[in-house]
Amino acid sequence: IVLTQSPGTLYLSPGERATLSCRASQSVSSSYIAWYQQRPGQAPRLLISGASSRATGIPDRFSGSGSATEFTLTISGLEPEDFAMYYCQQSLTFGGGTKVEVK
Amino acid sequence: QVQLVESGGGVVQPGRSLRLSCAGPGFPFGRFGVHWVRQAPGKGLEWVAAISYDGSNQFYADSVKGRFTISRDKSKNTLYLQMNSLRAEDTAVYFCAKERVVAAVLPYYGMDVWGQGTTVIVSS
Repeated sequence: IVLTQSPGTLYLSPGERATLSCRASQSVSSSYIAWYQQRPGQAPRLLISGASSRATGIPDRFSGSGSATEFTLTISGLEPEDFAMYYCQQSLTFGGGTKVEVK
Repeated sequence: QVQLVESGGGVVQPGRSLRLSCAGPGFPFGRFGVHWVRQAPGKGLEWVAAISYDGSNQFYADSVKGRFTISRDKSKNTLYLQMNSLRAEDTAVYFCAKERVVAAVLPYYGMDVWGQGTTVIVSS
């Protein structure tokens, strides 16, 4: 199964809403979908598991949704620390990532 | 708070071997699966290998199958990645990461604790 994330780079301003897409090449179980944030020089951090459940300590501006082949990570109101790379994962496969950059 | 600390990285010639370690003082190795994930310079995340919570199953990416071996020593609370026949394309930061779900038969549910990584450079 191939995971395709889009867009490759998202240019937004603080306070704006970010919508990141993760598309699977075939239908997958939502239970196996996770999203991670990675800041430069840091290890990835789990944001969302089971497609829509926030991990411990993750702010509620992060939300996940989707099913079958289409999954979305939404950040409602970007904070300065949210400008980073984001990866989706399905079981043992990662997507190529989306970079959220300051416009 | 579970913490994972990787070690063993370094510079190695192509074709040689290296063993990475991931120590987790207090980490309940017998209850959670553990993964190795790598990141080549300037690239995205690539899952490498995983071992199930009971150590009975190992999983490998096609890119490392037959060359890398994942194992663990419960008595030492340590995970290992034995890397043989190393290639230039194995150059990366290697992270160990804990499987999120306890006693998962298949470690597919995400990784909720990560180490800071250890760097492997394969070069002549």
